[in-house]
Amino acid sequence: SQQGEEDPQALSIQEGENATMNCSYKTSINNLQWYRQNSGRGLVHLILIRSNEREKHSGRLRVTLDTSKKSSSLLITASRAADTASYFCATAQVYNNNDMRFGAGTRLTVKP
Amino acid sequence: NAGVTQTPKFQVLKTGQSMTLQCAQDMNHEYMSWYRQDPGMGLRLIHYSVGAGITDQGEVPNGYNVSRSTTEDFPLRLLSAAPSQTSVYFCASSRSSGANVLTFGAGSRLTVL
Repeated sequence: SQQGEEDPQALSIQEGENATMNCSYKTSINNLQWYRQNSGRGLVHLILIRSNEREKHSGRLRVTLDTSKKSSSLLITASRAADTASYFCATAQVYNNNDMRFGAGTRLTVKP
Repeated sequence: NAGVTQTPKFQVLKTGQSMTLQCAQDMNHEYMSWYRQDPGMGLRLIHYSVGAGITDQGEVPNGYNVSRSTTEDFPLRLLSAAPSQTSVYFCASSRSSGANVLTFGAGSRLTVL
């Protein structure tokens, strides 16, 4: 079964606005990662946050992790049309570090 | 640096046919894996390998075989294709385990009629 569940399934915003995507998971994790997928392409890694971290930044990306609620959020600030893509959270399970589980993704559309 | 290379990009099979999806990486990564992506389902792990000669099952292994004879290559075999295996397949690799950052291939779109 899937581990991560992203919310919302789809998000449409104007260029310059912020986009927030949420991810919930079920079991204990070693880390949580966010990936981006442009249409018809492979996934590209964005950011990794470890289970003992609460917040991480990378450029216009901000990720938070709340292990007590088993949830994470990805914030993209000052969005651009080029940010249009699907975004997936993925969790590395404590019980098996090699079993990386992905959610169904959030489809983000940024209108120019 | 090519990264992760998958072939073929597209393939159409008839039910019952067999085929192999190829995956090669040139980053000397120990960990390699295969995922399938279906609409609304995200990615599901099929099989993975933590080094040459070592493979293990993921979440949805039925109908698929793998082997890892070299560090670079990790082919995925469909022995008797079924329409339920129509999907986009991604190969991914990382330095040492699935918990590390994954580098993905461009994907292989498979249709089984």
